[in-house]
Amino acid sequence: AQRVTQPEKLLSVFKGAPVELKCNYSYSGSPELFWYVQYSRQRLQLLLRHISRESIKGFTADLNKGETSFHLKKPFAQEEDSAMYYCALSTSGTYKYIFGTGTRLKVLA
Amino acid sequence: DAMVIQNPRYQVTQFGKPVTLSCSQTLNHNVMYWYQQKSSQAPKLLFHYYDKDFNNEADTPDNFQSRRPNTSFCFLDIRSPGLGDAAMYLCATRKDRATPGQYFGPGTRLTVT
Repeated sequence: AQRVTQPEKLLSVFKGAPVELKCNYSYSGSPELFWYVQYSRQRLQLLLRHISRESIKGFTADLNKGETSFHLKKPFAQEEDSAMYYCALSTSGTYKYIFGTGTRLKVLA
Repeated sequence: DAMVIQNPRYQVTQFGKPVTLSCSQTLNHNVMYWYQQKSSQAPKLLFHYYDKDFNNEADTPDNFQSRRPNTSFCFLDIRSPGLGDAAMYLCATRKDRATPGQYFGPGTRLTVT
């Protein structure tokens, strides 16, 4: 069965420290992986998708098929990065998405 | 601004009283989704439409129905809400197969009394 695991419910880091939000997935086919972010009182919004290999707001994520991971990283956290982050998997040939339970990132001053 | 709109933002209904949640989009996207999200849990896909083609998730209760009368609107009907149906309901859209990202509405928080 397809599954997305985000092992940390809460991650607290100090401003300027590196951040890594973990995401592991279970899927036997070719996955499409995404990171979504939800700032306080705002809607879920797409942050990154693995096929784009882009950097958004300083965040990057690399798909590691060997480790079935798609960790989100940022070298220097900012207070405005504090939010809820969800990893999501879309299975090939479908329009369906499976979300992880999310990690709340708190960046402390 | 093109966007996904959900009404109402907060809905209170009584146990067993049918309720309808609505979603509209100005993005002209082909795909529309309904998710249920309970506290501290992942958004759970209930069903989605590609244009008028309806796709129900196998574990979506029969109590949940959906309608998409046109491209812009999609409705979630809960025929007999139970206390366990209290949750945030999220609507999302996706443009097409070639564009994999989703656009989410702000959600409707449903309370069942």
